[in-house]
Amino acid sequence: QVQLQESGPGLVKPSETLSLSCTVSGASISSYFWSWIRQPPGKGLEWIGYISYSGSSNFNPSLRSRVTISRDTSKNQLSLTLTSVTAADTAVYYCVREEGSSSGFGNWFDPWGQGTLVTVSS
Amino acid sequence: DIQMTQSPSSLSASVGDTVTITCRASQYIINYLNWYQQKPGKAPKLLISAASNLPAGVPSRFIGSGSGTHFTLTISSLQPDDFATYYCQQSYGTPITFGQGTRLEI
Repeated sequence: QVQLQESGPGLVKPSETLSLSCTVSGASISSYFWSWIRQPPGKGLEWIGYISYSGSSNFNPSLRSRVTISRDTSKNQLSLTLTSVTAADTAVYYCVREEGSSSGFGNWFDPWGQGTLVTVSS
Repeated sequence: DIQMTQSPSSLSASVGDTVTITCRASQYIINYLNWYQQKPGKAPKLLISAASNLPAGVPSRFIGSGSGTHFTLTISSLQPDDFATYYCQQSYGTPITFGQGTRLEI
């Protein structure tokens, strides 16, 4: 059974950097695509970006200039970094596995981590 | 970006009813359309992949259909556990985008 667990600070100050980790069990991060998705309180879902089994990445253009997704294959962990945060970055952040094709097209998200709420406030 | 538009935004129904949620894509996406169910305080859960495929464990009362730009999720014989928010999502192109959600209420 694949499980994903996000972790990181629940409170980040404006203009600072948000850093989250995702520990994966039951599957190797050297297989599949792995995405980060966020959801502001009471709002819809926004795809942030992915890192592939090969280590390549792709980001939402709306966040591309501020986002980094990396991995540590020895720990089977993923990381998300978002710089220069504002209150608009307050959200629940989910780590998610993509399933489907090796090309990344036509994939779906399953399973999801439980999510971690990050609040941006001074 | 491919825009995904769900309708209705909210829906009231009763146990035993059949409801249909529509998702339209702003451009052709073949069948690269997935549906998720989200309950308050929980992560979304995959409900249907590739427009009409039911993952193991998802009840057969959930039916997905459509291709191209028009897709539907039909839930028959509503159960109390089905009252939640439903999202569609396209994976034809990046950025991957979601519909705004449909809240299904009792």
